[in-house]
Amino acid sequence: DAGVTQSPTHLIKTRGQQVTLRCSPKSGHDTVSWYQQALGQGPQFIFQYYEEEERQRGNFPDRFSGHQFPNYSSELNVNALLLGDSALYLCASSSAGQGSAGANVLTFGAGSRLTVL
Amino acid sequence: AQSVTQLGSHVSVSEGALVLLRCNYSSSVPPYLFWYVQYPNQGLQLLLKYTSAATLVKGINGFEAEFKKSETSFHLTKPSAHMRDAAEYFCAVSEYTGFQKLVFGTGTRLLVSP
Repeated sequence: DAGVTQSPTHLIKTRGQQVTLRCSPKSGHDTVSWYQQALGQGPQFIFQYYEEEERQRGNFPDRFSGHQFPNYSSELNVNALLLGDSALYLCASSSAGQGSAGANVLTFGAGSRLTVL
Repeated sequence: AQSVTQLGSHVSVSEGALVLLRCNYSSSVPPYLFWYVQYPNQGLQLLLKYTSAATLVKGINGFEAEFKKSETSFHLTKPSAHMRDAAEYFCAVSEYTGFQKLVFGTGTRLLVSP
């Protein structure tokens, strides 16, 4: 059973460019969340998608946007890249029908490491 | 807002020694707490979670954590460290507002020497 898959695994961009990261959730999961993990830091919540809509957003600027497709896969887009956007971007999936949602376990992918030069 | 604090960015132990990774939380409501592990070039893997069913929670790979409300702590322990335990460990609290969102600590890197 495939878990969460992300692509690409590594990429290098220059300041001002745009990037798209992709995520396929674990089979049976319908909710996708994105996290940014800067070097030496814990993951920070960017936003969450459910039923193709952004349901919750963290403290990130509008340069960060996303999309969820009918098959539950998701994309994260970042425009006008800054040096500070260099980080590991983690996708996590879960099931809305998992029961007590506060205890829902997120399944993480291996991440996409973005370097902005 | 909920938050967690992990004391010690690095912890070094010898193989076979006790592992203790510290986590303190801040929450205005009874918390859901998690420990995740991250091996190099991999994503986060769930070790264990606390959901109020029992204060002592057993996880994978011999790890366990004890929820202490009076101390607002959720420390992670393992009686005997193995070389394969070397990794980054993250404590997280659920900030549930209709949808699951985790707030992570800054992580503790566990170093295991032979």
